[in-house]
Amino acid sequence: NAGVTQTPKFQVLKTGQSMTLQCAQDMNHEYMSWYRQDPGMGLRLIHYSVGAGITDQGEVPNGYNVSRSTTEDFPLRLLSAAPSQTSVYFCASSAGGLSEQYFGPGTRLTVT
Amino acid sequence: AQKITQTQPGMFVQEKEAVTLDCTYDTSDQSYGLFWYKQPSSGEMIFLIYQGSYDEQNATEGRYSLNFQKARKSANLVISASQLGDSAMYFCAMSFRNDMRFGAGTRLTVKP
Repeated sequence: NAGVTQTPKFQVLKTGQSMTLQCAQDMNHEYMSWYRQDPGMGLRLIHYSVGAGITDQGEVPNGYNVSRSTTEDFPLRLLSAAPSQTSVYFCASSAGGLSEQYFGPGTRLTVT
Repeated sequence: AQKITQTQPGMFVQEKEAVTLDCTYDTSDQSYGLFWYKQPSSGEMIFLIYQGSYDEQNATEGRYSLNFQKARKSANLVISASQLGDSAMYFCAMSFRNDMRFGAGTRLTVKP
């Protein structure tokens, strides 16, 4: 039972490049979400999904896209990376929106 | 607007003593969840404790207890018998209608 996995662990991008952060969970959770954590701040919700085929925006969605074609996977796409997107990205899953969330180990992204 | 406030950027506690980390929240929702997470220097997010808005009893998990005062909109974390391994960042969070907001965190340092 791996829980929530994220790849890659580290990534450096140049401004304007695109990439996809991968997230997978093996707990059959319906709810999945993406957060970013900037220095000195708590986590902020980017996008979430309450089930396959259903996604919605969180607090800071601009510059990011998501899709949910299966229960297990919830990739996050950066369309055109900007230095302001330098951050640590966490994926999480839970049985429901009000339930305990299980976090992945995070991806540290630097945009130069 | 939904908001979580942690007013203590840093706290110190002597090993084996108890410590209280403050958290206040603002919401007009009746149904919400309150969480505390620990983030050690290694970066992962570790779930500590959960309190539902309709729970009448304060939540406890081992050395952690949540002092829930609904009228005051506060959800303070109490750690009893502090250990050196408790040194970390602690985040209070609130979930509501599939959204989740985090406070800015409190850095706890346990002194030997």
